[in-house]
Amino acid sequence: DVKVTQSSRYLVKRTGEKVFLECVQDMDHENMFWYRQDPGLGLRLIYFSYDVKMKEKGDIPEGYSVSREKKERFSLILESASTNQTSMYLCASSLGGAGGVDGYTFGSGTRLTVV
Amino acid sequence: GQQVMQIPQYQHVQEGEDFTTYCNSSTTLSNIQWYKQRPGGHPVFLIQLVKSGEVKKQKRLTFQFGEAKKNSSLHITATQTTDVGTYFCAGGGNNAGNMLTFGGGTRLMVKP
Repeated sequence: DVKVTQSSRYLVKRTGEKVFLECVQDMDHENMFWYRQDPGLGLRLIYFSYDVKMKEKGDIPEGYSVSREKKERFSLILESASTNQTSMYLCASSLGGAGGVDGYTFGSGTRLTVV
Repeated sequence: GQQVMQIPQYQHVQEGEDFTTYCNSSTTLSNIQWYKQRPGGHPVFLIQLVKSGEVKKQKRLTFQFGEAKKNSSLHITATQTTDVGTYFCAGGGNNAGNMLTFGGGTRLMVKP
C-alpha cells in the first residue's frame, strides 16, 4: 500500500512565523502535490512537483513556497504565516500523468491554525 | 484554463434513496477520476474512467463518462449511512503536465 505521511495532524502557529509542512511518500511516485481545503471551496492546488528539484505553481501559490530535494519528500513552506492561511493542508502523490491508473494518494492532512 | 464543475454542492437523502452527483468540464477530458472523502478524513481514490461512454460499477455505485468526454456522473443506489461523505470528481486534460483538476465536491448526508 502506498503511504503518504504528513508530519503533523494538528498545528498551531503564530502570525509571522515561518511554517514547514512535511510530506513523505514511500512508493517512488514522481508527482507530488500540495492542496488546501476550506469549507465550500473544495480542493485548491498550491504547488506541485514532477521531479526532484522541480516545482510548478498551482492555482493559489501566493504566500507559499515548496522544496523537493529528494523524490520521496515534498515540503510546503509558509514564509510568514497569516490568519488567512488557517486551513486543512493535504499532500498527495501519484504515478504517471493525470492521476495515473491508481489515482492520487492523499495524506491524512494537517489542520493548521494561525493565531 | 480547464474548469470542472460539480453539482449539487450538498444533498440530503433518506437512507434507501438513490443519489447522483454530476460533473461537467469546460474542455474535453482525457480521463475522469472519482474520490470519496469521509467526514474528518482525506480523499480516497475510487475509480478511473477513460473511454467515451464508459460505464463502471462498484457494488451500489455506478460511474459514467459522457460520450463527448466532458461530463461524468456517480450514482449510488439505495444509499446507506456508510455512504456519507464528500464525493469529488477530477478530470485530466490538456493542462500543464496533464494533471487532474478537481471539482468542488458534493457532500452527501444520509438520514437513517
